[in-house]
Amino acid sequence: ETGVTQTPRHLVMGMTNKKSLKCEQHLGHNAMYWYKQSAKKPLELMFVYNFKEQTENNSVPSRFSPECPNSSHLFLHLHTLQPEDSALYLCASSPGVGLARDEQFFGPGTRLTVL
Amino acid sequence: QKEVEQNSGPLSVPEGAIASLNCTYSDRGSQSFFWYRQYSGKSPELIMSIYSNGDKEDGRFTAQLNKASQYVSLLIRDSQPSDSATYLCAANSGYALNFGKGTSLLVTP
Repeated sequence: ETGVTQTPRHLVMGMTNKKSLKCEQHLGHNAMYWYKQSAKKPLELMFVYNFKEQTENNSVPSRFSPECPNSSHLFLHLHTLQPEDSALYLCASSPGVGLARDEQFFGPGTRLTVL
Repeated sequence: QKEVEQNSGPLSVPEGAIASLNCTYSDRGSQSFFWYRQYSGKSPELIMSIYSNGDKEDGRFTAQLNKASQYVSLLIRDSQPSDSATYLCAANSGYALNFGKGTSLLVTP
């Protein structure tokens, strides 16, 4: 499919649980992103990492915690989520963040349901 | 607020016709523009990128950019039922892409 993989593909969790989403890119890219996609809303950028450094945190609640140990791996740690956090969480990567290097390629997503 | 606006549709076209999808953006500093296709239950798939004013063609797809009017469009020639999907327009802004809500396209046999 694409060079970006995400696990798990589906996740159901209670509000008191702690879970992590994993993303891996095999494209040799330097930038990675987390997005949230809810019904009837545009894709919402959550976090941007460029060369493992977080360059953007789009006012995301602290119950979402990203981690980028290297340019190929990205995690999203989840704790004490709310039902309104139920959505499709998408990971993407791009060669970089500058002009003509910012084509983003998406993974298949994790469908998260918070009970 | 940096926004990308798209008509949500649905846009219905008969098989074989040209589908025309439009998008406007508010950030005059945007320099990169993208069209993604998203099938129901799937993730967005990049189909076109455009960086300069004018037209860019790739197979049945043509992207058009007019920076003065802050307008991007996507033409799909010889539309097929398999083209039925939601098409997302995106414009870069700093480190991020701003996405529109998408236009739903339905190609009827």
